Amino acid sequence: AQKITQTQPGMFVQEKEAVTLDCTYDTSDQSYGLFWYKQPSSGEMIFLIYQGSYDEQNATEGRYSLNFQKARKSANLVISASQLGDSAMYFCAMRDSNFGNEKLTFGTGTRLTIIP
Amino acid sequence: AAGVIQSPRHLIKEKRETATLKCYPIPRHDTVYWYQQGPGQDPQFLISFYEKMQSDKGSIPDRFSAQQFSDYHSELNMSSLELGDSALYFCASSSTSRGETQYFGPGTRLLVL
Repeated sequence: AQKITQTQPGMFVQEKEAVTLDCTYDTSDQSYGLFWYKQPSSGEMIFLIYQGSYDEQNATEGRYSLNFQKARKSANLVISASQLGDSAMYFCAMRDSNFGNEKLTFGTGTRLTIIP
Repeated sequence: AAGVIQSPRHLIKEKRETATLKCYPIPRHDTVYWYQQGPGQDPQFLISFYEKMQSDKGSIPDRFSAQQFSDYHSELNMSSLELGDSALYFCASSSTSRGETQYFGPGTRLLVL
């Protein structure tokens, strides 16, 4: 069974600093996808970034980048130049599939607080 | 761009009542998923539909049922509600032909009293 581990329940970061949120995963499949979602206090689940298991380059989306280390089974999210609006819960998730339309398994999340 | 629509956004029910949650996926998305997120927890997969057929089932109680209609909207029916059903219920949709990202709706917050 697949498993996602986020070992940082909470993090406090000074505004404008970079922050790395850790995520490790466990799967026996060769084809899988890794996702990061942001959940502000309002509750919605916002997609941030995706990395496919066969992608050789690390994914980037604006201030977000995914540090993908396949051999270590880690997929850390890096947020550059953090902003007050980045304060939220962040979930790492994995899709374990060859077809692309299968369920996501989530980690327990990291609550990020940006300090002015 | 169009997003996933869920209704209602908030719902208050009494124990043993029934509830119906609705989801309208992003146009041309072929897969719909339902997740349940309890207070302080991560989302847990309930059920999914691909092209209107049930494609996967997670830890969904027998009291819950779901279906996807010909217009691709989906409904989650919950009967004999219990206090523990109080949660945020998300619907998500994806397109197998346009990448695999699941886009989530705003959620329905259900409170069972």
